[in-house]
Amino acid sequence: DTTVKQNPRYKLARVGKPVNLICSQTMNHDTMYWYQKKPNQAPKLLLFYYDKILNREADTFEKFQSSRPNNSFCSLYIGSAGLEYSAMYLCASSRRTGGLTGQLYFGEGSKLTVL
Amino acid sequence: QQKVQQSPESLIVPEGGMASLNCTFSDRNSQYFWWYRQHSGEGPKALMSIFSNGDKKEGRFTAHLNKASLHVSLHIKDSQPSDSALYFCAVSMGNYAQGLTFGLGTRVSVFP
Repeated sequence: DTTVKQNPRYKLARVGKPVNLICSQTMNHDTMYWYQKKPNQAPKLLLFYYDKILNREADTFEKFQSSRPNNSFCSLYIGSAGLEYSAMYLCASSRRTGGLTGQLYFGEGSKLTVL
Repeated sequence: QQKVQQSPESLIVPEGGMASLNCTFSDRNSQYFWWYRQHSGEGPKALMSIFSNGDKKEGRFTAHLNKASLHVSLHIKDSQPSDSALYFCAVSMGNYAQGLTFGLGTRVSVFP
């Protein structure tokens, strides 16, 4: 039973074109994350929203943007896709408990291929 | 910066056998440890967490943590074909703002 949904599941993009990935969750979680997963690499945290506060990792700060119009939805935006953006993008959500990261619930992922 | 390393990269286990997965982390201030499992075509799903030194058992799965050795392990008893998946170790510093750091994963294949 997947309660974190990602769209699209597969995305083909041209170099230099924008890409927008969407994630939704129905668990009323306060935190939503985006991870990037490339073959033979560990999932890498790109950014996360705690409520309406966006936290971006320093090394990906300029490469990815995000918005969270309401508690249930979160997007990941790439302004100009490069070949290096080809990857699986995993969205996850969790509930903050006592200042700690709770269990992450992941979606099935959006596979982005940039040509 | 936190480094999380998993071994072995892959593991083949007979049905009914024991699978043992290892994970080492670099930061001694690490506080919380998770094991996630990902079946093909799905997102990772949390298996179990462990916060204190020692063993924690949940059904056929046992996690072991030794913070002094910077080591956490997962043992799968009576392995089933449905246990065939990619297993990730994930580490939290306890600081919410830092999220979880994942290892590369161990691919487990259970053959009948």
